Amino acid sequence: TQLLEQSPQFLSIQEGENLTVYCNSSSVFSSLQWYRQEPGEGPVLLVTVVTGGEVKKLKRLTFQFGDARKDSSLHITAAQPGDTGLYLCAGRNRDDKIIFGKGTRLHILP
Amino acid sequence: DAGITQSPRHKVTETGTPVTLRCHQTENHRYMYWYRQDPGHGLRLIHYSYGVKDTDKGEVSDGYSVSRSKTEDFLLTLESATSSQTSVYFCAIRMTGAGGYTFGSGTRLTVV
Repeated sequence: TQLLEQSPQFLSIQEGENLTVYCNSSSVFSSLQWYRQEPGEGPVLLVTVVTGGEVKKLKRLTFQFGDARKDSSLHITAAQPGDTGLYLCAGRNRDDKIIFGKGTRLHILP
Repeated sequence: DAGITQSPRHKVTETGTPVTLRCHQTENHRYMYWYRQDPGHGLRLIHYSYGVKDTDKGEVSDGYSVSRSKTEDFLLTLESATSSQTSVYFCAIRMTGAGGYTFGSGTRLTVV
């Protein structure tokens, strides 16, 4: 069974701090997505990375796909209360199925 | 926005009763999915569809069936609801290319 392990599971930090969350697997993925989910809503796609080593930036969020396409990271600079939410990574495997991690629950304290 | 709507948003039902959840999309996407989301388990795939009348099982399909008679509608049926099926159910559509999914807002189902 392919797994995507996300760490940490929970993170609570002060507004203005930087943070990184990780998504790791022993499997190779053809692409990897990051989603943010707020209470009572469905996950919303933030980014898709496709190429090993690829880096994408979305304002204060930086996403990186590992060189071997087995892992990814999300770095947030100067976190804001609006960044609070559940962050999910998801990888598309060679069977064209998308596998989801269990998520990192992020809470930014004002 | 992909225009994906789930109904109902909330439902309470009794054990043993059948329940049908509806997912409606407005943009003719071929692939549609049903997931359930539970604490400690994350999102788990129940069933998916790759076209009208073309469906397949996901990892947690027992006790669930689906139908897709039109491109825009994907129905999930709990044949005889059990308390273990209390969950939040999400429908998703697959975007073209290497993109990910667009999710609906979810249905919170409670089986009592």
